[in-house]
Amino acid sequence: EPEVTQTPSHQVTQMGQEVILRCVPISNHLYFYWYRQILGQKVEFLVSFYNNEISEKSEIFDDQFSVERPDGSNFTLKIRSTKLEDSAMYFCASSEGDRVRGYTFGSGTRLTVV
Amino acid sequence: ELKVEQNPLFLSMQEGKNYTIYCNYSTTSDRLYWYRQDPGKSLESLFVLLSNGAVKQEGRLMASLDTKARLSTLHITAAVHDLSATYFCAVDLYNNDMRFGAGTRLTVKP
Repeated sequence: EPEVTQTPSHQVTQMGQEVILRCVPISNHLYFYWYRQILGQKVEFLVSFYNNEISEKSEIFDDQFSVERPDGSNFTLKIRSTKLEDSAMYFCASSEGDRVRGYTFGSGTRLTVV
Repeated sequence: ELKVEQNPLFLSMQEGKNYTIYCNYSTTSDRLYWYRQDPGKSLESLFVLLSNGAVKQEGRLMASLDTKARLSTLHITAAVHDLSATYFCAVDLYNNDMRFGAGTRLTVKP
């Protein structure tokens, strides 16, 4: 079964550093998403991406965040200057256009900011 | 402000018992998803409910959607230990945005 692949699985970074989280969505999917989950808490929407541009973003997705699809397969989330409160599990997801099969999530990247 | 409310948030059940998890939401939507999450793991899709009155069943789990009441239920029949996990409902907002409930942490005890 097709998968959404995320790398790395765990990243530790110093506060103030930039991080890039990588995702390879399912190849025939058109929509891409980033969500985050602070340990043991709610899953929060960050951003959706379609046709090489941001479709929707939440209030969490401020100027320190950016997304990019640098080539035909990768989808990245960049955090420019990490803060302690950015520590969370970040999930990438993708979906077909009509979403009748819902969203498929990757296995996540655990980001720890120290 | 959109609200997606699940209850209960914590549920401890005996094996063999039945129970229902509720998901209420505050916006117009006729599409809702249920996910399962094991500790430290990703979100596994359980059910995709695409219209009012949709009912889907898989094993001991059954999900339904009432869009008029803005309510979805996840019913557990004859619980077994393997069902212990956190269950999330998520509402599709159609603008490429899906919002999750807080999750129900289910523990099934022998």
